[in-house]
Amino acid sequence: AQSVTQPDIHITVSEGASLELRCNYSYGATPYLFWYVQSPGQGLQLLLKYFSGDTLVQGIKGFEAEFKRSQSSFNLRKPSVHWSDAAEYFCAVGSPSGNTPLVFGKGTRLSVIA
Amino acid sequence: DGGITQSPKYLFRKEGQNVTLSCEQNLNHDAMYWYRQDPGQGLRLIYYSQIVNDFQKGDIAEGYSVSREKKESFPLTVTSAQKNPTAFYLCASKGQVHGYTFGSGTRLTVV
Repeated sequence: AQSVTQPDIHITVSEGASLELRCNYSYGATPYLFWYVQSPGQGLQLLLKYFSGDTLVQGIKGFEAEFKRSQSSFNLRKPSVHWSDAAEYFCAVGSPSGNTPLVFGKGTRLSVIA
Repeated sequence: DGGITQSPKYLFRKEGQNVTLSCEQNLNHDAMYWYRQDPGQGLRLIYYSQIVNDFQKGDIAEGYSVSREKKESFPLTVTSAQKNPTAFYLCASKGQVHGYTFGSGTRLTVV
């Protein structure tokens, strides 16, 4: 069965510092992987996705993520965090066929301090 | 602009009442999904539909019902059998390209 683990429930970083949010997945084959961001009381917005090819993918708002098959990981990074990045971040895994729903991690809440 | 509209944004339910949450999309997407979100629990799948007039239970379907009579619409009914319905409910859709488009959610509170 597919599963996603986001080990960090809450992370606090200083504005301008770098960020890495961890995501580990369990899936029998090469999965499709996603990162979403959610502001309080809002829906989820897609940051980036990995289907195949280059294992380093670029997304919106200056985010990137790297797929590491050997570690079953898809960590999200940003070189310099802005106060507006404070939100909750969700990693999700899906099948290439798209016939089964995405499975989401429990999320990591990011706080940004001055 | 195309998107998903969830209504109402806030909903209050009395004990023993059924309530229906609306989800409408104009993206021409075939698949639609309902997720429930509780603090620290992430998103849990309630129901999904990959085509009109067909839907499947998700992980936490008990106490909920859905219908998919039109491609654009996928309403969720929270029945009186759902013992703890207070939560944030998110609707999503998916077209040919992988990745979901989400609505802005409905916050349901039992009073």
